[in-house]
Amino acid sequence: DAGVIQSPRHEVTEMGQEVTLRCKPISGHDYLFWYRQTMMRGLELLIYFNNNVPIDDSGMPEDRFSAKMPNASFSTLKIQPSEPRDSAVYFCASSYGTSGGAVTGELFFGEGSRLTVL
Amino acid sequence: RKEVEQDPGPFNVPEGATVAFNCTYSNSASQSFFWYRQDCRKEPKLLMSVYSSGNEDGRFTAQLNRASQYISLLIRDSKLSDSATYLCVVSASNAGNMLTFGGGTRLMVKP
Repeated sequence: DAGVIQSPRHEVTEMGQEVTLRCKPISGHDYLFWYRQTMMRGLELLIYFNNNVPIDDSGMPEDRFSAKMPNASFSTLKIQPSEPRDSAVYFCASSYGTSGGAVTGELFFGEGSRLTVL
Repeated sequence: RKEVEQDPGPFNVPEGATVAFNCTYSNSASQSFFWYRQDCRKEPKLLMSVYSSGNEDGRFTAQLNRASQYISLLIRDSKLSDSATYLCVVSASNAGNMLTFGGGTRLMVKP
């Protein structure tokens, strides 16, 4: 089975440009997460969706960041305009929920999108 | 104070050594605990869950101390392939059961 698929794997862009990161979760998973990882701050949860609905976006750093999940098999994270401090690895992850609606402990991560903003 | 704290390391150990990492968490409502492993320039992957009574998976042993709010990971007979960053992960009922990741402890096993 295919795992979580992210694209692009690498992106180098200039400050001010729009960046769109894409994610295809594992089929059947009802939770999708966007994380950002940097050396300084580690893994930070940006936003997560349950059954395509955004549940908590409190980790989104500012209005320049937006995320959508138009259907169960696709999500995007957009940064507009991008800034050098947005340089990081962005991970998408998906998981099943429990019967009680909570997230299980196993998140399946994509390989990440490494973003460099010059 | 971070919710989940780990010594970043690196821990440099020879092959065959036993090494232990600790992780402390601040949210007393934490209910579920995990160790993830992240290889260099790769994505994190679940290594093992941590149960209240402690649990073992081959050379790996995880322990939980709720009173002191820490969890540990012990690796026996270290292999070169164990070199990675080990992430402590906690979820709490008063945080929507979302997973909170520690900053990770880097292990380097040398020949």
